[in-house]
Amino acid sequence: GDSVTQMEGPVTLSEEAFLTINCTYTATGYPSLFWYVQYPGEGLQLLLKATKADDKGSNKGFEATYRKETTSFHLEKGSVQVSDSAVYFCALSGAQKLVFGQGTRLTINP
Amino acid sequence: EAGVTQSPTHLIKTRGQQATLRCSPISGHTSVYWYQQALGLGLQFLLWYDEGEERNRGNFPPRFSGRQFPNYSSELNVNALELEDSALYLCASSFIGQTRATNTQYFGPGTRLTVL
Repeated sequence: GDSVTQMEGPVTLSEEAFLTINCTYTATGYPSLFWYVQYPGEGLQLLLKATKADDKGSNKGFEATYRKETTSFHLEKGSVQVSDSAVYFCALSGAQKLVFGQGTRLTINP
Repeated sequence: EAGVTQSPTHLIKTRGQQATLRCSPISGHTSVYWYQQALGLGLQFLLWYDEGEERNRGNFPPRFSGRQFPNYSSELNVNALELEDSALYLCASSFIGQTRATNTQYFGPGTRLTVL
């Protein structure tokens, strides 16, 4: 079945550092790919998405490119802020349901 | 525009009781999805309702059930509660339309269910 694998956390960085969170997937067909973010005590917020190969999703300085050849959708940000501290989930959409990775907890220190 | 809303925020029950969780989708959305976020188990798909019908369910026992009302709001019922049902239950909504294309799911804040 469909699956998503994220880099293990937790990840701790200093403010203004470069961020990469790796995400790879296994799926039949051509799923849409998503990154969601969960702040403490809250639900999930959509961060960005890509619906086909080579699409780049971007939002709030975060970017991810849908790479069909490597079945990846890595999340990047050039300069993180303390306010980016949260749990990040990579997900794919298959058969009208989302399949999530295990989540990566990110902590940014000032 | 109002987002997905869920009630109650917190729910405390004892083992064997029943829990009812509610979700109101974004206006114009016809699909509602339920997910369970249990500690250490990540996010698991529970149920999908569209146009009042159950369209798909995840790998959960039949004591997890629900329904979707004519106004597209939804209820999740969990019968015979067990300790391991303690989790954050998230509802999401989307609009699929005639093409049945995959559309983005938008999540509510969740209901924290604690089973004692």
